[in-house]
Amino acid sequence: DQQVKQNSPSLSVQEGRISILNCDYTNSMFDYFLWYKKYPAEGPTFLISISSIKDKNEDGRFTVFLNKSAKHLSLHIVPSQPGDSAVYFCAAPRYQGAQKLVFGQGTRLTINP
Amino acid sequence: NAGVMQNPRHLVRRRGQEARLRCSPMKGHSHVYWYRQLPEEGLKFMVYLQKENIIDESGMPKERFSAEFPKEGPSILRIQQVVRGDSAAYFCASSQSRTGGNYGYTFGSGTRLTVV
Repeated sequence: DQQVKQNSPSLSVQEGRISILNCDYTNSMFDYFLWYKKYPAEGPTFLISISSIKDKNEDGRFTVFLNKSAKHLSLHIVPSQPGDSAVYFCAAPRYQGAQKLVFGQGTRLTINP
Repeated sequence: NAGVMQNPRHLVRRRGQEARLRCSPMKGHSHVYWYRQLPEEGLKFMVYLQKENIIDESGMPKERFSAEFPKEGPSILRIQQVVRGDSAAYFCASSQSRTGGNYGYTFGSGTRLTVV
């Protein structure tokens, strides 16, 4: 039961351009979403989050957009930098206030010079 | 202030042996979570513990897997009689409180278990 889906296993973007990573979810009860970034041989690190009462949250080069009607969120990185090359996971608490997160499969982003 | 420490980083076990994975949470954190990442998959929740208590073990396989977080010392994830399908990266996370704006998770670097 994959409640959070990242359908693109990989994405390649040129340095300086915009990277757009997508995530779909099936559970309309999800009320909070997070993006994590993971480098090889390291644990995930929190990147940015968004509450379901918002449709956009911005933090520097990172912006997350939420479309509740489509059950879709996206992470925009602009401009993309070589250090952004990593695997990105979207996640949501299994239910409101839950401590456990449901993760997508991840998208491997490669930024080309 | 050290982060979440997991050891060993890599662990190789033969089928049928036991694997013990350790997690020391960040200083001041009393909530520990274990996740497993199978190859080409996302992280899957396994168990949530507080000191001396298992709060939620709904993601733990019913057999061979156990977890503890004693009053003193690290949290331990124990896998008995390992099989090849247990090969995965196991991540521990800790938080200071039960809730947080970003869910207060700090992940360790993980233990990569390989069963041969």
